[in-house]
Amino acid sequence: GQQVQQSPASLVLQEGENAELQCNFSSTATQLQWFYQSPGGSLVSLLSNPSGTKHTGRLTSTTVTKERRSSLHISSSQTTDSGTYLCAILSSNTNKVVFGTGTRLQVLP
Amino acid sequence: AQTIHQWPVAEIKAVGSPLSLGCTIKGKSSPNLYWYWQATGGTLQQLFYSITVGQVESVVQLNLSASRPKDDQFILSTEKLLLSHSGFYLCAWSRGLFNQDTQYFGPGTRLLVL
Repeated sequence: GQQVQQSPASLVLQEGENAELQCNFSSTATQLQWFYQSPGGSLVSLLSNPSGTKHTGRLTSTTVTKERRSSLHISSSQTTDSGTYLCAILSSNTNKVVFGTGTRLQVLP
Repeated sequence: AQTIHQWPVAEIKAVGSPLSLGCTIKGKSSPNLYWYWQATGGTLQQLFYSITVGQVESVVQLNLSASRPKDDQFILSTEKLLLSHSGFYLCAWSRGLFNQDTQYFGPGTRLLVL
């Protein structure tokens, strides 16, 4: 079945530094979504980006569909960005959503 | 604006006891609905999805069942809880087919089975 790998597993930055998160998936996806999960567990959708490049605020996602990878770039990180970033894939041949293992980001003041 | 509500917020239950978790979406007719589960420190797993009232598809078998008795309501339940059911349960909705549209998540229910 579909597998989603995220890297790095964890990342520690100083405030103001940029972060680059990676998501690799094993089979074709028709939808790809990046989420932020707070330490309390709640999920917030950041970007839906099945292909190409999308921006919102300090976030930029680039998905190369044929290479089965996506990245999330966070510019000028802030302490409030700390949490876990999840990549989720919707397979083209099943009605199944598969989440990655996540990248835990810690931004220090 | 659409809102999604889950209840209860948290629950502590005994092994073998029944469970019912609820999810309600307001402000959107005929949403697609989803249940997810996350073990502590684990990966989110999709459990069920529903496209319409009375129709639920199972994705992962965890000795749980789901029902959609109303357009805006999604229920997750079991008659006998297992220790392995502990974790965080999230309900989500999307406007269109999930292979084309963004999913929006509720605040979640934290379950501890003892």
